[in-house]
Amino acid sequence: QQPVQSPQAVILREGEDAVINCSSSKALYSVHWYRQKHGEAPVFLMILLKGGEQKGHDKISASFNEKKQQSSLYLTASQLSYSGTYFCGNVNFGNEKLTFGTGTRLTIIP
Amino acid sequence: DTAVSQTPKYLVTQMGNDKSIKCEQNLGHDTMYWYKQDSKKFLKIMFSYNNKELIINETVPNRFSPKSPDKAHLNLHINSLELGDSAVYFCASSPTWGGGNEQFFGPGTRLTVL
Repeated sequence: QQPVQSPQAVILREGEDAVINCSSSKALYSVHWYRQKHGEAPVFLMILLKGGEQKGHDKISASFNEKKQQSSLYLTASQLSYSGTYFCGNVNFGNEKLTFGTGTRLTIIP
Repeated sequence: DTAVSQTPKYLVTQMGNDKSIKCEQNLGHDTMYWYKQDSKKFLKIMFSYNNKELIINETVPNRFSPKSPDKAHLNLHINSLELGDSAVYFCASSPTWGGGNEQFFGPGTRLTVL
């Protein structure tokens, strides 16, 4: 089942912070975060695994609430290069398939 | 060095035609995927291969047939193309099979069916 992201879209000025949320209705093994710029391929940002392990870029932070089956991506001191569509992806137990969320379009303005 | 490459980048064709998209990765990964991204930007998995074996086959019309001649290549053949097949198709790879691995995406192939 497709995870639900919120907000659907957000506009920030450079330097502002944003939080993108991702919710699933099933027990999660892992949550993935990707960013896709217009006309380009999705690019990996972070994986959060059940049990607390994380893999990703140092400048990106995220949280994973296993009980609530929710994850949040934190973008601080946003830069113009952060603009794009952010996708979370879920992997459920017993099913190694990555199911992407609905996407959050982030626009950073000077 | 291109990690995951796809050809062609653009494909414009008539309904009813048959076409193929090729994908190659030079990362030494075991697992490869095909995703479809529609006009609303939903990214949906179609197929996954691990060590040349089909692992995931989503509810995809059997007009779509993937083929993995070796671990580094995963091709997608589409028969009798329909208007609804118009989308961007992404190939991706990951080091191994499993939900704890990041995926590396190719640049995409934009398919337009007229």
